[in-house]
Amino acid sequence: GENVEQHPSTLSVQEGDSAVIKCTYSDSASNYFPWYKQELGKRPQLIIDIRSNVGEKKDQRIAVTLNKTAKHFSLHITETQPEDSAVYFCAARGGSYIPTFGRGTSLIVHP
Amino acid sequence: NAGVTQTPKFRILKIGQSMTLQCTQDMNHNYMYWYRQDPGMGLKLIYYSVGAGITDKGEVPNGYNVSRSTTEDFPLRLELAAPSQTSVYFCASSWGSRRVGTGNTIYFGEGSWLTVV
Repeated sequence: GENVEQHPSTLSVQEGDSAVIKCTYSDSASNYFPWYKQELGKRPQLIIDIRSNVGEKKDQRIAVTLNKTAKHFSLHITETQPEDSAVYFCAARGGSYIPTFGRGTSLIVHP
Repeated sequence: NAGVTQTPKFRILKIGQSMTLQCTQDMNHNYMYWYRQDPGMGLKLIYYSVGAGITDKGEVPNGYNVSRSTTEDFPLRLELAAPSQTSVYFCASSWGSRRVGTGNTIYFGEGSWLTVV
């Protein structure tokens, strides 16, 4: 089955800095890679996703890049703000349509 | 659209008791999932269903059972509750097809906080 590794487990940045979270996956058949944000005590919510036929996708301050050859994808957040503080999960979904989640990254943005 | 609705939101169980977490979705999704999330940890898949009448085990199915008699409902049953089942439980749903647009998005319920004492 699919295996998704996510790093780092904790990321601490100053407000205004950029943050990068990286994930690797094992199943070359995976074709859909969503990122979820989970605020404390809340449900995970989709913030951005990318399909395997695209190398990069941007949405305002967040972007995701995908390297299919190396089987890794990354989340980039620019100009971080305190409200970006949350746990971020990557996921990979292959032919079974059952997503496999990474272990999560706790992002802390210091004012 | 209410999305994914799960109940109860909070529950305290005694060791050995049983209970059912209810989950319903109104988006006509074919795929539904149950995850558990321990404090500071990621999401672990308990069971999933690809359609009415079809269920399958995920990563951590022991101590749980599910059924999927309709497209909308996917209840999770805890038998003989144990302290190790203290966790937050999330029900979720999605389309399980190559549907374009936002069809691949997984929608989560608000979560059910369960404590076994």
